[in-house]
Amino acid sequence: RKEVEQDPGPFNVPEGATVAFNCTYSNSASQSFFWYRQDCRKEPKLLMSVYSSGNEDGRFTAQLNRASQYISLLIRDSKLSDSATYLCVVKRGAAGNKLTFGGGTRVLVKP
Amino acid sequence: DVKVTQSSRYLVKRTGEKVFLECVQDMDHENMFWYRQDPGLGLRLIYFSYDVKMKEKGDIPEGYSVSREKKERFSLILESASTNQTSMYLCATHAGVSGNTIYFGEGSWLTVV
Repeated sequence: RKEVEQDPGPFNVPEGATVAFNCTYSNSASQSFFWYRQDCRKEPKLLMSVYSSGNEDGRFTAQLNRASQYISLLIRDSKLSDSATYLCVVKRGAAGNKLTFGGGTRVLVKP
Repeated sequence: DVKVTQSSRYLVKRTGEKVFLECVQDMDHENMFWYRQDPGLGLRLIYFSYDVKMKEKGDIPEGYSVSREKKERFSLILESASTNQTSMYLCATHAGVSGNTIYFGEGSWLTVV
């Protein structure tokens, strides 16, 4: 079993709709969680950190469920520009080398 | 803004060639990383460095080596390129304990024929 798993998608989403997807992690020692966004043939960029209490950034909401060992990302009022691959990142220690990336979930927003 | 620069964006090399991928960061970060990204496999860590002349193996170091002679520069070396090393290579930097954000370079697309 992979340490961090994501549904690869694609999630085909009508413009204006809501889409949500999860990322599961297997190591209970995981400490920090992030969502990165990666556009086609570009580098990943930090979208948002995921806090224990859940957090929101505009149309994006991230949640953490430690008991079931998953994080989620919800996108409301989807825009065409939200089309991208969303990478889940799990950090196990303070040092940056203990990062594990999920394979990514591809989201396609269509008019 | 942090800038991570990978000098070569697109390369085509022959099997057996020695390949150098250069990465420079301008934020004085201690930690630097080399990943490769392949469809369905996500990002996999090849090597990382937490200081000048220091290096640690990541998850898939076989067939690669690295060099960190200056803090801002981290080089990935393929001693003898093989077709299974065709991939996108991403350099990244991180502030260490004090920071969470990983900053990536734009990526180097390597094709080995």
